[in-house]
This record gives sequence, structure tokens and C-alpha cells, in this order.
Amino acid sequence: QVHLVESGGGVVQPGKSLRLSCAPSGFSFSNYAMHWARQAPGKGLEWVAVISYDGTIKYYSDSVKGRFTISRDNSKNTLYLQMISLRAEDTALYYCARDPSFSISNELDYWGQGTLVTVSS
Amino acid sequence: DIQMTQSPSSLSASVGDRVTITCRASENIGRYLNWYQQKPGKAPQLLIYVASSLQSGVPSRFSGSGSGTDFTLTINYLLPEDFATYYCQQSHSTLVTFGGGTKVEIK
Repeated sequence: QVHLVESGGGVVQPGKSLRLSCAPSGFSFSNYAMHWARQAPGKGLEWVAVISYDGTIKYYSDSVKGRFTISRDNSKNTLYLQMISLRAEDTALYYCARDPSFSISNELDYWGQGTLVTVSS
Repeated sequence: DIQMTQSPSSLSASVGDRVTITCRASENIGRYLNWYQQKPGKAPQLLIYVASSLQSGVPSRFSGSGSGTDFTLTINYLLPEDFATYYCQQSHSTLVTFGGGTKVEIK
């Protein structure tokens, strides 16, 4: 069955960088668009970014645009989120999620369990 | 960005109740509206997509309706495992937005 496992989270100082990874299994990764979303402690869901199946189309939320980069390596079956200039308000549980379309439908049909990013000095 | 407003933000209900949650979009999104369920400590799960289509494996007591700016999630005959937080999400715009969530608690 579909399984998504995020990794790379941790405690990082403000202004520093971090790269998250997502390892999918149970489906043909290269045929699906993928998303990152996040959830600050005790708060609601916030969408972060999406990438098309081939990596040619990417969209970002206004809150991360210019600081975060979504990418994928279909040969390694891995989704990434490169985060720079991290701020305290980026502290959250970061989820990767599958889009049921190869282009982008913006539905998120399967989610990982998340990796926690804490930005603190 | 399209703003999504859910109401109520929380509600108390009993097992067997019928529960209705509403979601309003700040502009016309057609039927590009999805609903998710999130239980404490767990990842969200897609319940309903394009306003009224039931995701595979989701019980038929869940239903969705609406179009344009006003949408509804209904849970018929609430079961103990339905106590959770529910989020709406618009997929009309390239920039996805979620509603603030509705927490369904046990009365």
C-alpha cells in the first residue's frame, strides 16, 4: 500500500538551513505530483509547496516563496524540501503528501506521518 | 489567496448524532473543495474530494455537498472513531488553502 516517510527534521537556529526528504513506497513515484504541507504545534494545516510528476512545475505558498525549494529525484524515488533562512514561525510538523494526478490536482490523497522542524536559538 | 472559513470551530456531539460542518470560500471555487479528517497525533486523511466524491475506503455515513462558495460536510450517525478535527481545502487555485478546522468532541 501507499507509504510516505519523511526525514531530516530537527532543531535549527534562526537563519539556518535544513533539507527534508520524503521516501515513498507502494506506488510509482514518478507518475505523481507531490506536496509538502505543515502544521505548527496545536494549529491547523498549512500547504507549503507542490511539484509536478516530472519536476517542471512548482508552486509555493506566499509564506515560504523565495526561501523554500521543492524538488524531486525520480531516479532515487525521493522528494525534497530545501529550507533556507528559517524563522521561528517555520516551526512545524512537515508532511509530504501525494497528489492523485501526474500533473497537479491539488488533492492530497495520502500523507506521511511527518517530520518535526523546530527553529529556535 | 482564496480564504477558507469553517464553522463552527468546534462542536460537541453524541454518538448517533448527525453532524454538519460548513466551509465558505472567499470566491467562487466551483466544486474544487476537499475534506480531510485528522485524529490526534495522526496525519490527515482525505475523506471527500471535488465536493461530494467519497474517497476509497471512507464510510458512506460521510457526505459532502455544495458548489461555488458554500460547502457542507455531513456525518450521519456519528461513531466514536469520528471524533476528530475536520478541515476543508480548496483545490481551485494553484495556491492551496485550508480552512481553520472544526474539532468534533464528545458531548
